[in-house]
Amino acid sequence: DGGITQSPKYLFRKEGQNVTLSCEQNLNHDAMYWYRQDPGQGLRLIYYSQIVNDFQKGDIAEGYSVSREKKESFPLTVTSAQKNPTAFYLCASTTGWGSDYGYTFGSGTRLTVV
Amino acid sequence: GENVEQHPSTLSVQEGDSAVIKCTYSDSASNYFPWYKQELGKRPQLIIDIRSNVGEKKDQRIAVTLNKTAKHFSLHITETQPEDSAVYFCAASITWRGGSEKLVFGKGTKLTVNP
Repeated sequence: DGGITQSPKYLFRKEGQNVTLSCEQNLNHDAMYWYRQDPGQGLRLIYYSQIVNDFQKGDIAEGYSVSREKKESFPLTVTSAQKNPTAFYLCASTTGWGSDYGYTFGSGTRLTVV
Repeated sequence: GENVEQHPSTLSVQEGDSAVIKCTYSDSASNYFPWYKQELGKRPQLIIDIRSNVGEKKDQRIAVTLNKTAKHFSLHITETQPEDSAVYFCAASITWRGGSEKLVFGKGTKLTVNP
């Protein structure tokens, strides 16, 4: 998986339920990101973290929460407040503080509300 | 706010022809411009990138050009092959809150190469 692993690959959520998507990297990257991908919408930033114990909201953070307790891990929780969570979720990481390095993406989690 | 516009949204070419995808960005401080290829159901993969101190970069059949004055950059694929069929995303670095940087992505171009 190129050093960054997302799980599960497929996830089904019932109405009103919180679910957590896992993202783990062994690349020793400082920065990690969560993106949401919808058809025709490209990649939209949910949250990002430049360093352990610190994270920032992206463009569409409402209804989501994250934590960064370890450098290797950046889990994303989709809460019941997110009204339209069905989407493909991508985690990415990059070395250094700046973004002038290519992102490495995980293989993604496809979340479906049932 | 900061954004990246990408055109066209879909592109269909015959095998062997060239394909060009164009992007414009709004943040004049952007200095890094990567391109990603995403095959159906898979993760985006970095295929080429360019930094603001150069105007063109080439890697075999793929090239990227950058015009900082006009704030646009383009991906050129020559001698296209069916395996080039995918969605391509451009991105530009922007300065985010607190001085940190992040990438802003275009909405993607679905390229179809017909045999």
